[in-house]
Amino acid sequence: GAGVSQSPSNKVTEKGKDVELRCDPISGHTALYWYRQSLGQGLEFLIYFQGNSAPDKSGLPSDRFSAERTGGSVSTLTIQRTQQEDSAVYLCASSLPSLIPYNEQFFGPGTRLTVL
Amino acid sequence: DQQVKQNSPSLSVQEGRISILNCDYTNSMFDYFLWYKKYPAEGPTFLISISSIKDKNEDGRFTVFLNKSAKHLSLHIVPSQPGDSAVYFCAASATGNTGKLIFGQGTTLQVKP
Repeated sequence: GAGVSQSPSNKVTEKGKDVELRCDPISGHTALYWYRQSLGQGLEFLIYFQGNSAPDKSGLPSDRFSAERTGGSVSTLTIQRTQQEDSAVYLCASSLPSLIPYNEQFFGPGTRLTVL
Repeated sequence: DQQVKQNSPSLSVQEGRISILNCDYTNSMFDYFLWYKKYPAEGPTFLISISSIKDKNEDGRFTVFLNKSAKHLSLHIVPSQPGDSAVYFCAASATGNTGKLIFGQGTTLQVKP
């Protein structure tokens, strides 16, 4: 079946503009994660959605970052008033509900964001 | 505070030889560890994992070793193949922590023919 898809694949924006990044998880996956990878760094957790539960927003770096997940499927990550340090690859992952043992997270190809 | 560290940014090995990638962690609450492989312009893909109740897990050419007392894990690839050339990320998770993964910085492996 189809994997995790993300759009756009690349986004170039000017400092101060708002951007929206989209993630379509694998059908039936109720858990959805956003990560970002800055240049030369590992993946950094941003936010987690699980079903109708309140999201875990503990990784969002500032209040300029927000995310929503509509209908338990598609998710949108919004960055307001973008800054140059927001430039990174933003990765979305989905999985079956996080249980014991751990359920594998399947990653999308990412959106490369460049803030000029 | 970097809770998961991969201190070697890169590694180069000859085809057919063993590749050993290392990872250290600081948080004793981590109880599940994973290795992901990433090719350019693609998302990471799951490679192998290990629970903290084990000290070794093997899957074909890939073996992960866990030393809890040293808070250290390693990935062994034997024999290494040119197609294994990629960035390898170590990741850790703690039970009850929403399943979010804490990643290391990655190690770029190059396997030379």
